[in-house]
This record gives sequence, C-alpha cells and structure tokens, in this order.
Amino acid sequence: DQQVKQNSPSLSVQEGRISILNCDYTNSMFDYFLWYKKYPAEGPTFLISISSIKDKNEDGRFTVFLNKSAKHLSLHIVPSQPGDSAVYFCAASEGNAGNMLTFGGGTRLMVKP
Amino acid sequence: SAVISQKPSRDICQRGTSLTIQCQVDSQVTMMFWYRQQPGQSLTLIATANQGSEATYESGFVIDKFPISRPNLTFSTLTVSNMSPEDSSIYLCSVAARSSNEKLFFGSGTQLSVL
Repeated sequence: DQQVKQNSPSLSVQEGRISILNCDYTNSMFDYFLWYKKYPAEGPTFLISISSIKDKNEDGRFTVFLNKSAKHLSLHIVPSQPGDSAVYFCAASEGNAGNMLTFGGGTRLMVKP
Repeated sequence: SAVISQKPSRDICQRGTSLTIQCQVDSQVTMMFWYRQQPGQSLTLIATANQGSEATYESGFVIDKFPISRPNLTFSTLTVSNMSPEDSSIYLCSVAARSSNEKLFFGSGTQLSVL
C-alpha cells in the first residue's frame, strides 16, 4: 500500500509559468512533509518542507501548501525556469519516526524555454 | 549540510556476483540510511546503519542479501549479494541533517545494472 502518492508521473510547463506538483498521502500520522529534487545521475536534494502545524511555507520561488483534511500537499514553482527540470519527490514522516521518510513515486517536471 | 561521497557511481555486474558500495561522509553522523530506487519507482528504505550495532532492516530486506557495515561515524558500506537482474537499481546513501531530524542529505547514488 503506497502511503505517499504522486499521481502525475510527468508535467510539462512553459518557462515563466507556474508549475504545480501534487502529492497525496494516506497515513494520518504523518506530520512533516518534504520535497526533494533529483537530477539524473545525482542524489535527491532537499528543496522545501512543511510541518503539519502550518498550511503554507514559502522559500523564494518555491511554496508548499498543505491541506491536512484532504491529506494533500502541493509544490508551486513560480516562475518556472528550465533549470527546474528534474524529478520531484514528496516525502513524509511521522513525529516519532524522525528520519524514516516515506517517498512518493516522483513527478518529472519539464520546463520548456 | 553534509557532503556525502558514494562509490562506485555505476557498475555493471554479472548475475550471482556481489558488489559493495561505499559511503563516506565529511562529518560524524549517528545514523546513516541506505535507499534503493528501482527503475521508474520511488525511493525505498533498505536499512538504517547504526555505528556499533547491527543495521535495522525494513520489511522485505534481509541482512544476508544486503549486509551493511558501519565501522565508524563517517563511513558505511552496503553489499548487494548474489545479484540478479531484479537488483538493478540506484542505491543511495543518506544521512540526517543536524538541524532537522527529518531532513536527509543524499549521496549521488550508485547505478547498478545486473546482467
């Protein structure tokens, strides 16, 4: 049973427009959520996170929204840049599990110039 | 942030052989983690490597298949034993950030292909 799901395997966006990547989870015990970006032949790099006590966290062009009632989070990138083209993974953890991250399947974002 | 060196970066191996992947961190860390990413799949935690004790394996992973060493606080190895084509994956080493228990830093991964 996949506890963290990214239903869109790929997304194509024009440069300068907004990219919205979605993630759903089923485990109501998850209380911390993260987004990672992965380029080919590289390990995932941390992008942004959000605690369940918040519904929004912003860092420059990146904003993560959390809707706990819907068990849904999204990553907004605006404006999108060609260098943002990568695979994006959402991940979640339970408070008492610390480093035990459960990852979604990833969404490949392609930003076209 | 932590700098994680992982090697080899890629390898092509024959069925039935074993490969040991090394992970070196530039600072002392308590816990190191080994993940696997099968083609087109998400990252799955294989085990947590603790210094001075046996690794803790997740469901579906066993020590005989994926023996792990953790001789000190900056180094760990993962061995993929008796390989089959189903073991073809990217194997990733990761460590937790000091500032946040939930945030992980990852090595660049080892792309393993088993023929």
